[in-house]
Amino acid sequence: DGGITQSPKYLFRKEGQNVTLSCEQNLNHDAMYWYRQDPGQGLRLIYYSQIVNDFQKGDIAEGYSVSREKKESFPLTVTSAQKNPTAFYLCASSIGSGSSYNEQFFGPGTRLTVL
Amino acid sequence: GQQVMQIPQYQHVQEGEDFTTYCNSSTTLSNIQWYKQRPGGHPVFLIQLVKSGEVKKQKRLTFQFGEAKKNSSLHITATQTTDVGTYFCAGPEGGSQGNLIFGKGTKLSVKP
Repeated sequence: DGGITQSPKYLFRKEGQNVTLSCEQNLNHDAMYWYRQDPGQGLRLIYYSQIVNDFQKGDIAEGYSVSREKKESFPLTVTSAQKNPTAFYLCASSIGSGSSYNEQFFGPGTRLTVL
Repeated sequence: GQQVMQIPQYQHVQEGEDFTTYCNSSTTLSNIQWYKQRPGGHPVFLIQLVKSGEVKKQKRLTFQFGEAKKNSSLHITATQTTDVGTYFCAGPEGGSQGNLIFGKGTKLSVKP
């Protein structure tokens, strides 16, 4: 089956620890995205990548880091610098880069809770 | 900065009633997309509108793009319990080529 996988589904972290969220896609999509979703809020863009080995900051990149070493993978690290990391994190991909006309396909999400 | 606003934030309906959510952009959009997120799930693409005044239908769902390409609506006829979820609209940042900016969504609950 083609799609996007995210792991783990639930993640608990102690304050002050870094944690990495996995995102893998086998759709052969060029573009990948990370969003943060808080209750009652829309999706806010953290980072995006339009091509391998390149990525750009989104609206709320502070306290987060990413890498794009492979086309299929776009892991997100939530660092201890992120002041309020408890949220639902969604990874998405789209077929082409640099075009807003492409629909985005979302993974199932990772719910991160900082204790 | 550019904003995409949705109203209402919540809507509670009796099964069989109609439902409408409205999306307004502060800038003219080249296209607008709609997504549905079921409770506990992830957003799923529903449709994209591109042309001014465009109307598209998917069974009981009717999507409309305003003449000025700054607003859109989603109307559901005779809601069912399977329609429960949050409906998001999204438009490109900068109006045309940028990343998607999502509205905050309208959360629909349906009472059987």
